Amino acid sequence: AQTVTQSQPEMSVQEAETVTLSCTYDTSESDYYLFWYKQPPSRQMILVIRQEAYKQQNATENRFSVNFQKAAKSFSLKISDSQLGDAAMYFCAYNSDYKLSFGAGTTVTVRA
Amino acid sequence: DTGVSQNPRHKITKRGQNVTFRCDPISEHNRLYWYRQTLGQGPEFLTYFQNEAQLEKSRLLSDRFSAERPKGSFSTLEIQRTEQGDSAMYLCASSSDWRQETQYFGPGTRLLVL
Repeated sequence: AQTVTQSQPEMSVQEAETVTLSCTYDTSESDYYLFWYKQPPSRQMILVIRQEAYKQQNATENRFSVNFQKAAKSFSLKISDSQLGDAAMYFCAYNSDYKLSFGAGTTVTVRA
Repeated sequence: DTGVSQNPRHKITKRGQNVTFRCDPISEHNRLYWYRQTLGQGPEFLTYFQNEAQLEKSRLLSDRFSAERPKGSFSTLEIQRTEQGDSAMYLCASSSDWRQETQYFGPGTRLLVL
């Protein structure tokens, strides 16, 4: 079974600043996908960003970008120019077949 | 909005009662997934359908749980003889065949068993 670890239970960031969330995973597969999902207090899980393991280029979606280090099995999320609406629980997830394996999540608070 | 929908959004029941949840996936998504999320934790996989076929069930899905997707469209998740430990958020997700690895989630059904 794949294990996804998020070592930061909580992170706080000042509005307009940058915050980086860490994620590591354990797998013996070579072909897989990694995701970051955002779950605001309303609890709807929203896809933030997606990375294919075979692509060396790091994915970027507007203010969100990842640092994918395949050899280190690391997949961090950087939120730039943080906004109040970014406050949420962020989950790192792994998929190599059909099911997602999630980390325990990181709660991000944004200070005005 | 053609996202994943789930009903009801909240359910309170007494221990021992049966409950049923419904999930309507994104139109034309052939794959449908159920997850369970307890407070402060990440979702855990329960089961997966491709069209009407249930292809995988987690060990978390005890014999009190049953899921169906009779016509390959909406799905139902039934819990019989509910226990307090069943209290959780039940999330449904769907994905397309051509991008099967990317799942889109519904708002969830929050179950509280008293």
